[in-house]
Amino acid sequence: EAGVAQSPRYKIIEKRQSVAFWCNPISGHATLYWYQQILGQGPKLLIQFQNNGVVDDSQLPKDRFSAERLKGVDSTLKIQPAKLEDSAVYLCASSLAGGRETQYFGPGTRLLVL
Amino acid sequence: GDSVTQMEGPVTLSEEAFLTINCTYTATGYPSLFWYVQYPGEGLQLLLKATKADDKGSNKGFEATYRKETTSFHLEKGSVQVSDSAVYFCAQSSGNQFYFGTGTSLTVIP
Repeated sequence: EAGVAQSPRYKIIEKRQSVAFWCNPISGHATLYWYQQILGQGPKLLIQFQNNGVVDDSQLPKDRFSAERLKGVDSTLKIQPAKLEDSAVYLCASSLAGGRETQYFGPGTRLLVL
Repeated sequence: GDSVTQMEGPVTLSEEAFLTINCTYTATGYPSLFWYVQYPGEGLQLLLKATKADDKGSNKGFEATYRKETTSFHLEKGSVQVSDSAVYFCAQSSGNQFYFGTGTSLTVIP
């Protein structure tokens, strides 16, 4: 069974530029998560989708971050404009049905903002 | 609010030593508890989980028991190997929320 796919794996941009990350969850998984993991910290949930609807985006900085999950499968996370403090690893995860279900993580996208 | 607190690292052990990584949680309900592992250069992988009090999760020689009375889920392994070097994250889930600890880095030296 294929795992969660993410691209790109690495991205370096200058502050005020924009960037987009892509995630393809495990086939059949209804729930998709985006996390931000700053160096030395645990993952912090940015947004959770159930199919193509948003379940929780309370910690998403909506003035610069946006995410969508068209057709309830792939998802993109965008940052515009980026700030230095956005440098982190962005993790995508999926689960069968959300809640207490096990989450399966992709390899992450490492973002460096200069 | 709900949270997870885990033992700070880094932890360095010799091969075949005994490992304990402490984890405690704060939750309003009865969460499911997880240990995830992140090997260098890879994404997080589920190591083990427990869904109710007194359950023991186990995998690859690692164990953790869901202790409701002490709100703990400590990770243990009797004899670590060099290949166990990684960052370990404790996590809890109740309802739709998932909370991770800050991670504990483990290095096992031959």
